[in-house]
Amino acid sequence: QQQVKQSPQSLIVQKGGIPIINCAYENTAFDYFPWYQQFPGKGPALLIAIRPDVSEKKEGRFTISFNKSAKQFSLHIMDSQPGDSATYFCAASMDRGATNKLIFGTGTLLAVQP
Amino acid sequence: DAGVTQSPTHLIKTRGQQVTLRCSPKSGHDTVSWYQQALGQGPQFIFQYYEEEERQRGNFPDRFSGHQFPNYSSELNVNALLLGDSALYLCASSFSGGGYTFGSGTRLTVV
Repeated sequence: QQQVKQSPQSLIVQKGGIPIINCAYENTAFDYFPWYQQFPGKGPALLIAIRPDVSEKKEGRFTISFNKSAKQFSLHIMDSQPGDSATYFCAASMDRGATNKLIFGTGTLLAVQP
Repeated sequence: DAGVTQSPTHLIKTRGQQVTLRCSPKSGHDTVSWYQQALGQGPQFIFQYYEEEERQRGNFPDRFSGHQFPNYSSELNVNALLLGDSALYLCASSFSGGGYTFGSGTRLTVV
């Protein structure tokens, strides 16, 4: 119940394409769902986050779609660029605490080809 | 504005030894969390320190221990190292109600 399942494991898109990364969870007590971007040799950096009272959130080229009934959420990257090539992690935590422990997915390695 | 600083960046230890990793949080942050990231995996929560006390702990054995100092900096100690402890150890700092800022990590190799 503590797991967050992420797919696909890897993804290749052409520049300008819209990669979509999906995550699913079981624990309905989760109430904070962030996405992180990680480059080689660096720590994860917060991209965008959503709470379950909202179905969609956009920040720049990044959009989270959230389906509470299906217990799924996804990240869309609009107009993807080669600089977006990185590993993306979804995560979840509970108790309305952004500082509570995060349960991470297994990651998606994204390659954006020029 | 300095972010989260971790030291050392890389470390090689022998099985059975002990290791101490250090973390300085982002200015203004009072909470420090530690995560272990095995190669090709997502980070896994080890524990969190707030007001110099362990506030939450993940599913890690007692060989993993930590400390937070009055200036909010933190140490992660691992005793009796196993080959399976080889990983990237990430420190993340936060302030009540705010999100995490991660450091670049310490790459620990146990041989």
